[in-house]
Amino acid sequence: DTAVSQTPKYLVTQMGNDKSIKCEQNLGHDTMYWYKQDSKKFLKIMFSYNNKELIINETVPNRFSPKSPDKAHLNLHINSLELGDSAVYFCASSLPGQGGEQYFGPGTRLTVT
Amino acid sequence: AQSVTQLGSHVSVSEGALVLLRCNYSSSVPPYLFWYVQYPNQGLQLLLKYTSAATLVKGINGFEAEFKKSETSFHLTKPSAHMSDAAEYFCAVVSGGSNYKLTFGKGTLLTVNP
Repeated sequence: DTAVSQTPKYLVTQMGNDKSIKCEQNLGHDTMYWYKQDSKKFLKIMFSYNNKELIINETVPNRFSPKSPDKAHLNLHINSLELGDSAVYFCASSLPGQGGEQYFGPGTRLTVT
Repeated sequence: AQSVTQLGSHVSVSEGALVLLRCNYSSSVPPYLFWYVQYPNQGLQLLLKYTSAATLVKGINGFEAEFKKSETSFHLTKPSAHMSDAAEYFCAVVSGGSNYKLTFGKGTLLTVNP
């Protein structure tokens, strides 16, 4: 059974388009995250939701908008895509508490041409 | 702000040799520390975590790490490397406060030579 799933796995699109990435977890976790991994493999958090409430909102262009319809889902919508948005985007969810490890999805490789 | 530094962006070992991946952290409060592994074109998988219990933490696939407060280190080791250990390894720390933001190091690519 897949714990954290993301769709699509690959996304190729042109500059200026709007796209969405979906994430679902079946672990019963309350907290979910979006991370961006750049071409140098550096991972940086973008957003986090706890039970549908936004709790982390890093310095991310407001073209990026997360949405959590319920605590098992966290989607990422990106408007007016730019070349610099090309990256791998990972969704994660976690157990409660600061010591709770985060479980990652397989990633979505976004390529903007 | 909490941070981690991974020394060495690339470590190369022979199969059967000791693996040592270095991680130093900075934190004003007792940290929670993690090691994750990323195989090519995959997501991140937790290897082990430190949450202020035992200072020597054992993880999956024969890896372990030792928390040393005096050295602010959390180095990852494995006595004998296997070809399947070739991957990118990330050290991470959880920031304090009411959220659980993972701050990652820049990663260390481990290659294992036959």
